[in-house]
Amino acid sequence: EDQVTQSPEALRLQEGESSSLNCSYTVSGLRGLFWYRQDPGKGPEFLFTLYSAGEEKEKERLKATLTKKESFLHITAPKPEDSATYLCAVHPRGSNYQLIWGAGTKLIIKP
Amino acid sequence: DGGITQSPKYLFRKEGQNVTLSCEQNLNHDAMYWYRQDPGQGLRLIYYSQIVNDFQKGDIAEGYSVSREKKESFPLTVTSAQKNPTAFYLCASSMPANYGYTFGSGTRLTVV
Repeated sequence: EDQVTQSPEALRLQEGESSSLNCSYTVSGLRGLFWYRQDPGKGPEFLFTLYSAGEEKEKERLKATLTKKESFLHITAPKPEDSATYLCAVHPRGSNYQLIWGAGTKLIIKP
Repeated sequence: DGGITQSPKYLFRKEGQNVTLSCEQNLNHDAMYWYRQDPGQGLRLIYYSQIVNDFQKGDIAEGYSVSREKKESFPLTVTSAQKNPTAFYLCASSMPANYGYTFGSGTRLTVV
């Protein structure tokens, strides 16, 4: 069964304290892996798409990496405005349209 | 600007009442989706539609109904059969999923 697991459930960091969020997956062939950011009371916003192991994408303080079993979202020197829930989703082979979603990691950056 | 619009932002439902949540997109996306999000939980798929006049049940379709009469519109009705409808509802659209989803801003439904 296709499955996506995100860890930790919640992460509290001091401003400037770098860390990583994990998204591990078991799917029958990976067509793509997605990271989204969700602020409270809003819809998720797209961050990155990764398609193959070894691929990396960067945006400001965020860097996403992909292996054959997991993806990491690295946050370097975070600021309070980076506080949000980060969602991971995978697009498995055999599905044209459906994504499989993780439960998310709630990130809190304290000033 | 292209996007996906959900309305209303907040909705209150009385016991035994049906309510309809609106979702409209002008992205020319083929597929549309409805998700339910409860505190501390991930997105759970209610219904999805890949083409006009066709839709499929997701993981938690009981107590919900949809229609897809136009490519741009995918309204969700929460019926009185849904016993615990209080939640945050998200609509999304996509071309084939390897391009990712675009989400609306959500509707928060509360039973009063």
